[in-house]
Amino acid sequence: GAVVSQHPSWVICKSGTSVKIECRSLDFQATTMFWYRQFPKQSLMLMATSNEGSKATYEQGVEKDKFLINHASLTLSTLTVTSAHPEDSSFYICSARDPRGGSQPQHFGDGTRLSIL
Amino acid sequence: DQQVKQNSPSLSVQEGRISILNCDYTNSMFDYFLWYKKYPAEGPTFLISISSIKDKNEDGRFTVFLNKSAKHLSLHIVPSQPGDSAVYFCAASGYETSGSRLTFGEGTQLTVNP
Repeated sequence: GAVVSQHPSWVICKSGTSVKIECRSLDFQATTMFWYRQFPKQSLMLMATSNEGSKATYEQGVEKDKFLINHASLTLSTLTVTSAHPEDSSFYICSARDPRGGSQPQHFGDGTRLSIL
Repeated sequence: DQQVKQNSPSLSVQEGRISILNCDYTNSMFDYFLWYKKYPAEGPTFLISISSIKDKNEDGRFTVFLNKSAKHLSLHIVPSQPGDSAVYFCAASGYETSGSRLTFGEGTQLTVNP
């Protein structure tokens, strides 16, 4: 079963609104979560690393004021796309680092399709 | 700077035959490599991984080969099945680069024809 839940799976909204996406680890505590963005037929690009109880670490070129990340608990990270515009339309995927180790360093959510009109 | 590259955007294979997906990397600090399968509008699904101390790892129909000197890895699927049709991403991680932080290739669309 899924170990990382991402919600919503699909959202359509008007330009200028803010959209919040949630990422929850279901059966482990995740001190570190990751947010990716994928454009059609392209790779998954890491946007930021979300650290529980501290500020997120953003990749070069990602606007931290545009993409607000909050990791207030060990099982929940949120990504808020502020004042969204059509160019923000994309597929956003979160993952959670599994502290138990194993062959998979990260477990991925099912993604959120964001469409800005 | 694309540190992980999958040079073939697509691959078409007949059912029952072998699928070989290739991946090259440039960062010598990478020491752990993974393959993911992805369907549209879904998150990646983990398939198989390999540590840099090995050159081969096998799990059922999936085998990953790592050639460190060439900075090259490949995923072999045999026999291929129509349900294997998806986009396959290779990813790399380095202990020195923030633990489990992953760098993905561009993906290869595999189509297995019945």
